[in-house]
Amino acid sequence: GNSVTQMEGPVTLSEEAFLTINCTYTATGYPSLFWYVQYPGEGLQLLLKATKADDKGSNKGFEATYRKETTSFHLEKGSVQVSDSAVYFCALSGFYGNNRLAFGKGNQVVVIP
Amino acid sequence: NAGVTQTPKFRVLKTGQSMTLLCAQDMNHEYMYWYRQDPGMGLRLIHYSVGEGTTAKGEVPDGYNVSRLKKQNFLLGLESAAPSQTSVYFCASSMNQETQYFGPGTRLLVL
Repeated sequence: GNSVTQMEGPVTLSEEAFLTINCTYTATGYPSLFWYVQYPGEGLQLLLKATKADDKGSNKGFEATYRKETTSFHLEKGSVQVSDSAVYFCALSGFYGNNRLAFGKGNQVVVIP
Repeated sequence: NAGVTQTPKFRVLKTGQSMTLLCAQDMNHEYMYWYRQDPGMGLRLIHYSVGEGTTAKGEVPDGYNVSRLKKQNFLLGLESAAPSQTSVYFCASSMNQETQYFGPGTRLLVL
């Protein structure tokens, strides 16, 4: 069935380092793909999205490209800041039908000064 | 414009007690959702609504009921709370069933 898989475990890195969080999916049809971010003590916020193959979503220095051939939507940022410390969720529309979202388990990112 | 708000922010219940979580949105969104977030489990959909007066089951609906009597409000009820319902509950709303806007969450502890 349709699903989203994120890489296991938290990610700890130093300020100004390069960040990659992997997300792969299985789906029928042509879903939209999303990255949401959750800062400590807050709800989720949409970070970026892509609605069709080869689209690139971008926001706040983060980017992700919808790769249909590898069924991936990896999140990248070239130079992270301490303020990027958060939990990042990959999500897929069309999971249950009617375009409801299905979320990956999330990745905790900790950026050390 | 407050977006999505949730009441209460935190609650402690004893096993068997009941409570209602309130979600309100001021964006005139048609679709509303209730999720629970547990460590290592991501977000799981409990119930959702595609419009005023409608509700439907999500991934983990057992032990919960919902109502959408007004377009702007979506209530989540626990009739007889169990320790397994200790979680953080998030409400979300959307216009087009894709981009969802989340509330700040309600932390519930069931003893």
